[in-house]
Amino acid sequence: KNEVEQSPQNLTAQEGEFITINCSYSVGISALHWLQQHPGGGIVSLFMLSSGKKKHGRLIATINIQEKHSSLHITASHPRDSAVYICAVGAGSYQLTFGKGTKLSVIP
Amino acid sequence: ETGVTQSPTHLIKTRGQQVTLRCSSQSGHNTVSWYQQALGQGPQFIFQYYREEENGRGNFPPRFSGLQFPNYSSELNVNALELDDSALYLCASSHGGASTDTQYFGPGTRLTVL
Repeated sequence: KNEVEQSPQNLTAQEGEFITINCSYSVGISALHWLQQHPGGGIVSLFMLSSGKKKHGRLIATINIQEKHSSLHITASHPRDSAVYICAVGAGSYQLTFGKGTKLSVIP
Repeated sequence: ETGVTQSPTHLIKTRGQQVTLRCSSQSGHNTVSWYQQALGQGPQFIFQYYREEENGRGNFPPRFSGLQFPNYSSELNVNALELDDSALYLCASSHGGASTDTQYFGPGTRLTVL
């Protein structure tokens, strides 16, 4: 069973700061997903990674397969980025294992 | 193109009752996955349906059951409700059931068991 750990659990940043959220997992995977969950529950998929790096707007996600580690970066953070960010991994077929999430608050 | 919808939004039941939660997949998607998210935790995989067949199941007892219909909408049924079943239930649809496929989540149903 894959164990997924995220750090930090909570993060408060000033608007404009560069933010990094980390995710580590214990077993080799075929895919890693970064998700965003807003208050109220809705989840949006941000990235799916199997290797390397992806960028979308102010968001950048990287993965190091050898070290079993991924990071999500947010540049020029904004209050609307406030949400819970969740890392999920899949090793093979259908099942995803999720981390507990990192709660981000960006203060104006 | 409509997104993933779930009903009801909120639900209150008492211990021992049965509940049915519903999910409409995004247009063109043939796979639906159901998750349980307890307060302060990440989602946990309940099961996945692909083209009306259960494609995989997480560590949940048989009183959690599901259906997928020909139009790829889906139901989650929970019998003999327990207090610990109180959670946010999320469904997610995708085109294909692999872990590399992007899943599109519904807004969730918040179930409270008293």
